[in-house]
Amino acid sequence: GAGVSQSPSNKVTEKGKDVELRCDPISGHTALYWYRQRLGQGLEFLIYFQGNSAPDKSGLPSDRFSAERTGESVSTLTIQRTQQEDSAVYLCASSFWRTQETQYFGPGTRLLVL
Amino acid sequence: DQQVKQNSPSLSVQEGRISILNCDYTNSMFDYFLWYKKYPAEGPTFLISISSIKDKNEDGRFTVFLNKSAKHLSLHIVPSQPGDSAVYFCAASGASSNTGKLIFGQGTTLQVKP
Repeated sequence: GAGVSQSPSNKVTEKGKDVELRCDPISGHTALYWYRQRLGQGLEFLIYFQGNSAPDKSGLPSDRFSAERTGESVSTLTIQRTQQEDSAVYLCASSFWRTQETQYFGPGTRLLVL
Repeated sequence: DQQVKQNSPSLSVQEGRISILNCDYTNSMFDYFLWYKKYPAEGPTFLISISSIKDKNEDGRFTVFLNKSAKHLSLHIVPSQPGDSAVYFCAASGASSNTGKLIFGQGTTLQVKP
């Protein structure tokens, strides 16, 4: 496909379980971002990857959150020991690497922690 | 610390009229601004952007105005159409952030009535 894809589209889990979210960026996009949108709020930056550079993890809310990216392809966001406040839509975006480049978003993964 | 603010949670306009969505920011280092539109259960879609070297950018029915001295930007949609009904987010980034991460406002829900 031509756009950013994410899986699963929806995830319901129990408090304390681990979850893994996946993002496939647009081919050729070297920059990849994860954002989170809680109910009624704006998007909140989580983490950024660019090629083989060290990721910018400054937005991760706790050490329960981690992410990986292999080269310039798929990224996974892992949340360990999920809490109810982790419930949100997790959005992935990709772009070419230059400043002031448009970021293109995937449809998001809706995570509900019971 | 909300660096990007959209103070109007919702806006309702009649089809054919102008829609004006507003956004304020506090960080003078921001130099690139974007507007995204979001339909339910979809990821945000890029609409229009503006660099701080400009005060206006136009694309079809959409125009973004930037007032740097007031740290304010607005999105004008003329004429508004029912299909424009969605949540609109403004976002900002700064050259000082070499990651290009976006800081988002909380969003404004626009309803265009037929």
